[in-house]
Amino acid sequence: EAQVTQNPRYLITVTGKKLTVTCSQNMNHEYMSWYRQDPGLGLRQIYYSMNVEVTDKGDVPEGYKVSRKEKRNFPLILESPSPNQTSLYFCASSWGAEDTQYFGPGTRLTVL
Amino acid sequence: QKEVEQNSGPLSVPEGAIASLNCTYSDRGSQSFFWYRQYSGKSPELIMSIYSNGDKEDGRFTAQLNKASQYVSLLIRDSQPSDSATYLCAVPRGSNYKLTFGKGTLLTVNP
Repeated sequence: EAQVTQNPRYLITVTGKKLTVTCSQNMNHEYMSWYRQDPGLGLRQIYYSMNVEVTDKGDVPEGYKVSRKEKRNFPLILESPSPNQTSLYFCASSWGAEDTQYFGPGTRLTVL
Repeated sequence: QKEVEQNSGPLSVPEGAIASLNCTYSDRGSQSFFWYRQYSGKSPELIMSIYSNGDKEDGRFTAQLNKASQYVSLLIRDSQPSDSATYLCAVPRGSNYKLTFGKGTLLTVNP
């Protein structure tokens, strides 16, 4: 089954404790991206990757890191999480930015 | 002007009516436009994509694009309670492959 998976689905952590949210797709897509969704602010792009080893900042990259060492995986790293990073996070993949985005199920993160 | 703007809603229509959702965008170079539907607590899923000026129909859904006015809309005919969701407009921007979503419009279809 073609899908995008994210782990964990739910996470409660404390300020400053490094965490990684994994994202994996099995569709051989070249384009992958991370979004955060907040009430009243909508879905905002954090980082995107056009292919292996090629990443770039989206609209809200501060406080996040990503890497794309393999085509299928695109982890999101929060090295020192803060409460303002409490949000619902989505990973998505597609053939390109101008193609249909396939979203993962989401990760709800709470930073205390 | 914000890069992608949607009518803020919420929008409430009776069952069987036409729901009209609107989106404007600022980047005149944008060539592709997407409408996603997001049910509460779920991830977004594609409803329609449109690339050329005019109308594109798929079942009860019609997307309309006017590049001169930088406007894209989604019409839902014969609205059903199952159409109740947030609808997101998405536009890739420029040559740097960023993808911008509007804030979404919450649609409620009342039986």
